[in-house]
Amino acid sequence: EVQLLESGGGLVQPGGSLRLSCAASGFTFSNYAMSWVRQAPGKGLEWVSTISGGRTSIFYAESVKGRFTISGDNSKNTVYLQMNNLRAEDTALYYCAKSAAGINTWFDPWGQGTLVTVSS
Amino acid sequence: DIVMTQSPDSLAVSLGERATINCKSSQTILYSNNKNYLAWYQQKSGQPPKLLIYWASTRESGVPDRFSGSGSGTDFTLTISSLQAEDVAVYYCQQYYTTPLTFGPGTKVDIK
Repeated sequence: EVQLLESGGGLVQPGGSLRLSCAASGFTFSNYAMSWVRQAPGKGLEWVSTISGGRTSIFYAESVKGRFTISGDNSKNTVYLQMNNLRAEDTALYYCAKSAAGINTWFDPWGQGTLVTVSS
Repeated sequence: DIVMTQSPDSLAVSLGERATINCKSSQTILYSNNKNYLAWYQQKSGQPPKLLIYWASTRESGVPDRFSGSGSGTDFTLTISSLQAEDVAVYYCQQYYTTPLTFGPGTKVDIK
C-alpha cells in the first residue's frame, strides 16, 4: 500500500522559513515524480511544485518560484519542500502527492497534509 | 496558464438522482495522442483529495461505476448516476496537459 507522510508544518512569522518532508513507502520511489499541492483554509487546490523521479527536472508555480525549493532523496524515499521568505498567503495545508507517471500527470495518492501558518 | 472553470459552484441532489458537474478549460487539453489530459478528484470534509477519473473518462480502480467522466477538448463532465450519501463532497477537475498544473475551483455536492 502506498503511504505518504508529511511533516514539518507549523507556525512561522512572515519572512521566515520552514522545511516540509514527505516520507514515502509502498512503491519504487525513484520511478515516480512527486509533487506538493496546497490548500488554503476553506479554499481550493493549488499546485506548488513537482520533481521528476530522477530528481533532476523540477517545476514550480509562479507564486512560489524563487522562494520555495523542492528536492528529493531517493535513498531515503523522501521529498522535501524548503520554503523561504514565507508570506501570509502561503498559509495552507500542504499535501504531498505521488504523480502517476512523469511530470504532466494526475496525483494519486495524496498524503494527509501538514499545516503551515504564516502569521506574526 | 490554462484556467479551469467549473459549474455549478454547488448543487443539491436527492438520493438516487443524477448529479452533473461541468468543467471547462481555457484552451484545449486534447493532445496529439488523442488523450484528454484531465482528472477528477473527490474531497470529503477533513480528508485529502481522492482520484476518481483520469484521461477524462478512465475510472480509477475501486471507484464505483456510478461515477463517470466524459468530454473532449475544452468541455468535460463528471456524472454521478445515482447519488449516495457518501458522495457528499467537493469535486475538482485538474488539467495535466502542461505546467502549471491547474485545478478548477471545485463544486460542492450535497443531499437535497
